[in-house]
Amino acid sequence: NAGVTQTPKFQVLKTGQSMTLQCAQDMNHEYMSWYRQDPGMGLRLIHYSVGAGITDQGEVPNGYNVSRSTTEDFPLRLLSAAPSQTSVYFCASSYGAGLYGYTFGSGTRLTVV
Amino acid sequence: GQQLNQSPQSMFIQEGEDVSMNCTSSSIFNTWLWYKQDPGEGPVLLIALYKAGELTSNGRLTAQFGITRKDSFLNISASIPSDVGIYFCAGQLGGGGADGLTFGKGTHLIIQP
Repeated sequence: NAGVTQTPKFQVLKTGQSMTLQCAQDMNHEYMSWYRQDPGMGLRLIHYSVGAGITDQGEVPNGYNVSRSTTEDFPLRLLSAAPSQTSVYFCASSYGAGLYGYTFGSGTRLTVV
Repeated sequence: GQQLNQSPQSMFIQEGEDVSMNCTSSSIFNTWLWYKQDPGEGPVLLIALYKAGELTSNGRLTAQFGITRKDSFLNISASIPSDVGIYFCAGQLGGGGADGLTFGKGTHLIIQP
């Protein structure tokens, strides 16, 4: 099994550009979520989904959109990139309401200039 | 939102020493998780705790879910070089998993040979 796959691994954007960070899991997990990791801040929840067609906001949702059309995929869209969105982004998935912990992807390092 | 205070922020120890780190919260959590993150990778689950007072081991790692549900600790015995990394505690509130995880800011473990 591939687990949680994130693409791209690295990305540089200009301020105002839009892009989509891809996340796919092959474990048939119901729960998927996006986190951002900034130095000294730990990981903070952006958006999450409890199943296909259902999404909700986390702690820091502004500037990001998500959708969940299939169980496998949970893309994160940056509508108009800002330097404050420079960060490392992690996608995570979980089976059974997170009872067995979340499986994380290896991250996307995004720089907005 | 919930706040998790993780300490210490960093630890410089000698190989073979025991390590102890902890997390405290202003809120009650129903699940406590401990993750380790290596450079350039996503967090990997080490131990999951589901009941207040629970003590769980995974090899040289031992973690406990505090009786008050507001704290947890992680011990590593006889540290080895591959233990180097950032350790995160994470708490989860709801049984539905819909609220994602709240992370501490991490403990950076550095081992001197």
